[in-house]
Amino acid sequence: AQSVTQLGSHVSVSEGALVLLRCNYSSSVPPYLFWYVQYPNQGLQLLLKYTSAATLVKGINGFEAEFKKSETSFHLTKPSAHMSDAAEYFCAVSEGPQGAQKLVFGQGTRLTINP
Amino acid sequence: DAGVIQSPRHEVTEMGQEVTLRCKPISGHDYLFWYRQTMMRGLELLIYFNNNVPIDDSGMPEDRFSAKMPNASFSTLKIQPSEPRDSAVYFCASGSSAGNEQYFGPGTRLTVT
Repeated sequence: AQSVTQLGSHVSVSEGALVLLRCNYSSSVPPYLFWYVQYPNQGLQLLLKYTSAATLVKGINGFEAEFKKSETSFHLTKPSAHMSDAAEYFCAVSEGPQGAQKLVFGQGTRLTINP
Repeated sequence: DAGVIQSPRHEVTEMGQEVTLRCKPISGHDYLFWYRQTMMRGLELLIYFNNNVPIDDSGMPEDRFSAKMPNASFSTLKIQPSEPRDSAVYFCASGSSAGNEQYFGPGTRLTVT
């Protein structure tokens, strides 16, 4: 069965600093991996996805993530944090290759940006 | 496209009452998912449908919960009778077999007193 572990339920960075949110996955088949963002009182919005193409995936709002099979990781990064990045971030894994399979979500990481 | 539509956005009800949550998926999507989000348990998949047929309902907590999808553009999640521990935000999401991602609605915040 697939699983996702997000290291750190809360991450706090200063505005302009590097953002690094960690995600490790477990999957018995080549995984499809996703990062979603949830702003307060809203639904989840897709940031980016890995579907076995390029290992470095670029998403919206300047975020990117790198798939590392040897480390079973899919960490999310952004070079320079902005106040508007404050939100909760979820990593998820799905069995591929057919689309829209059910997702297994991590517990989420709440990102706080300090001015 | 209007995205996934959920109604109501907020629901407050008393213990023992029936609650019905509604979802309209994105047109053309053939998968529909119901999730529940709480502080304690995070985001849980309750049930999902493919082409209006329930595929996996192993996440439905108990018999008080039921979900239907009578057609491709409408689904309901019903709780009868409701209990305070059902208080949560319920999300509906839809997706296409031509893609991989799911698109989430804004959620229904349910409070059972």
